[in-house]
Amino acid sequence: AQSVTQLGSHVSVSEGALVLLRCNYSSSVPPYLFWYVQYPNQGLQLLLKYTTGATLVKGINGFEAEFKKSETSFHLTKPSAHMSDAAEYFCAVSGGGGSNYKLTFGKGTLLTVNP
Amino acid sequence: GAVVSQHPSRVICKSGTSVKIECRSLDFQATTMFWYRQFPKQSLMLMATSNEGSKATYEQGVEKDKFLINHASLTLSTLTVTSAHPEDSSFYICSARTGTVNEKLFFGSGTQLSVL
Repeated sequence: AQSVTQLGSHVSVSEGALVLLRCNYSSSVPPYLFWYVQYPNQGLQLLLKYTTGATLVKGINGFEAEFKKSETSFHLTKPSAHMSDAAEYFCAVSGGGGSNYKLTFGKGTLLTVNP
Repeated sequence: GAVVSQHPSRVICKSGTSVKIECRSLDFQATTMFWYRQFPKQSLMLMATSNEGSKATYEQGVEKDKFLINHASLTLSTLTVTSAHPEDSSFYICSARTGTVNEKLFFGSGTQLSVL
């Protein structure tokens, strides 16, 4: 069984500031980890994912996340926020292997970017 | 990129009626489609996994007779909420999984169901 906890349902940053969205997971098997972004009235888009290998994963739009097994974390960061980054962000985990798309999602974090 | 079309985006219905939601993969064949439900300020909860040509696999606690899923072709899956009640009001999202070697998952834009 897997679960995901996203700390902070709402994060507000200034344009140009660091973005840090926190995600902790639990999984009984080696996890696959994902970050999705959802813009208003649109479907979820994959930002990045970790399956195996390098623990620092780079995604689209300048985002990256680091898998830290010892901390069971997969926090999402971006060095400099842009107004267009304002959206809802979801962290998700799957059991890996053949079930790598049976996802368990966190509750989401709404990111607002202030000018 | 691959597109998943979900229709309708919003539906309002009377209690006791049935509502059908369609999920189409527009430029790829989806061997597997997933249906999720999302309550306000809650996470997406997987309802069922739909494989083309076979019965859907429902998650624990999801009533299969209430949420009918049909995956008749590689590009279309439907979710029918039967005898809808106000507690079924929610945001429903589908996703489609490509069957290629470099498989990916694409999401529809969701359907907001309001049952009066």
